[in-house]
Amino acid sequence: NAGVTQTPKFRVLKTGQSMTLLCAQDMNHEYMYWYRQDPGMGLRLIHYSVGEGTTAKGEVPDGYNVSRLKKQNFLLGLESAAPSQTSVYFCASSLGETQYFGPGTRLLVL
Amino acid sequence: SQQGEEDPQALSIQEGENATMNCSYKTSINNLQWYRQNSGRGLVHLILIRSNEREKHSGRLRVTLDTSKKSSSLLITASRAADTASYFCATPAGGSNYKLTFGKGTLLTVNP
Repeated sequence: NAGVTQTPKFRVLKTGQSMTLLCAQDMNHEYMYWYRQDPGMGLRLIHYSVGEGTTAKGEVPDGYNVSRLKKQNFLLGLESAAPSQTSVYFCASSLGETQYFGPGTRLLVL
Repeated sequence: SQQGEEDPQALSIQEGENATMNCSYKTSINNLQWYRQNSGRGLVHLILIRSNEREKHSGRLRVTLDTSKKSSSLLITASRAADTASYFCATPAGGSNYKLTFGKGTLLTVNP
């Protein structure tokens, strides 16, 4: 059981470039989430999904898009990266109350 | 928007001492969770306490919940260097049990 995995672990982008972060879970969880963590800000919810084929906006969705074509995968896309999107991104999944987190993706936008 | 706020922001103790962290929240909740984050890693769930519970134990962890004061505390007894981490409280967001709002965390350093 790998739990929640994230790809890549680290990435450097130039302003304006695009990329996709992949989250995969093998626990058959319905709910999946993308958070960003910035120093002194705690975790903030970007987008989430309550099931395959569904997505919804969280607290800070601007500049990001998501897709959940398969139950086990949740993709986070940045169409045109900005320096303000430099952050650590965490994916999580759950059946309900308790969330299980991936190891994170560190993104630097220059 | 932040629901839970941890206090203190940072705490430094010696191995073997107890560590207490507090969390205050603003609106009524039906449960509260505590998570741990080791440096550079993802969050790990520690314990969940429901609104009808006053106290809950898990190993060296003791969590209390006072709904009248809208506050919770996490006590780690006989701390170890491996307990060094950030600790976050999390409360349900927007009336939903599957969305959480996290506080900014307490950074605990346990010195050997």
